[in-house]
Amino acid sequence: EPEVTQTPSHQVTQMGQEVILRCVPISNHLYFYWYRQILGQKVEFLVSFYNNEISEKSEIFDDQFSVERPDGSNFTLKIRSTKLEDSAMYFCATPPTPRETQYFGPGTRLLVL
Amino acid sequence: SQQGEEDPQALSIQEGENATMNCSYKTSINNLQWYRQNSGRGLVHLILIRSNEREKHSGRLRVTLDTSKKSSSLLITASRAADTASYFCATDAVGAGSYQLTFGKGTKLSVIP
Repeated sequence: EPEVTQTPSHQVTQMGQEVILRCVPISNHLYFYWYRQILGQKVEFLVSFYNNEISEKSEIFDDQFSVERPDGSNFTLKIRSTKLEDSAMYFCATPPTPRETQYFGPGTRLLVL
Repeated sequence: SQQGEEDPQALSIQEGENATMNCSYKTSINNLQWYRQNSGRGLVHLILIRSNEREKHSGRLRVTLDTSKKSSSLLITASRAADTASYFCATDAVGAGSYQLTFGKGTKLSVIP
């Protein structure tokens, strides 16, 4: 099965610090998504990205968040000034085409202290 | 509105028994996907069923979809201890601009050896 990879697997940061979470999507996939899962809660959509721009974002995805595809392979999620409530597991996902299976990466567990 | 609510929230069965998990949703969908998540780990895709399909099989998994009732079920036959995990349904709703998935809260399945 195709594989999405994410780095780092775990990150601990101080409140107010910037973090960058990285994803390497499956090659040839053009749609990219970030989701997050706060411990014990359901997975929530953050943002979708297609053709080098944001397609849609949720209300969670405020001005502190940004995404980019800096080099045509990596897909990054940046949180500029982390808050305690940003502590969660962050997942990257890509389908081969819209409305197909979304393949999820293993996630980055972010802990904000 | 909530989309993709699973029940039961938790299910405990003996190895060898069948496990049935249900998912209800509120809006029209393009497809519905089931995922498995081992504790603190990533999301593993199990099955995608489209809105025009009623049943799909994959190994020991059987998924049904009833669009008139806006519900789906996941049946795991002859369960094994390794099936212990949380199971989530996720819907790709009609009108979701970028085909993002909306997840339910999941069913936590425990299979006792």
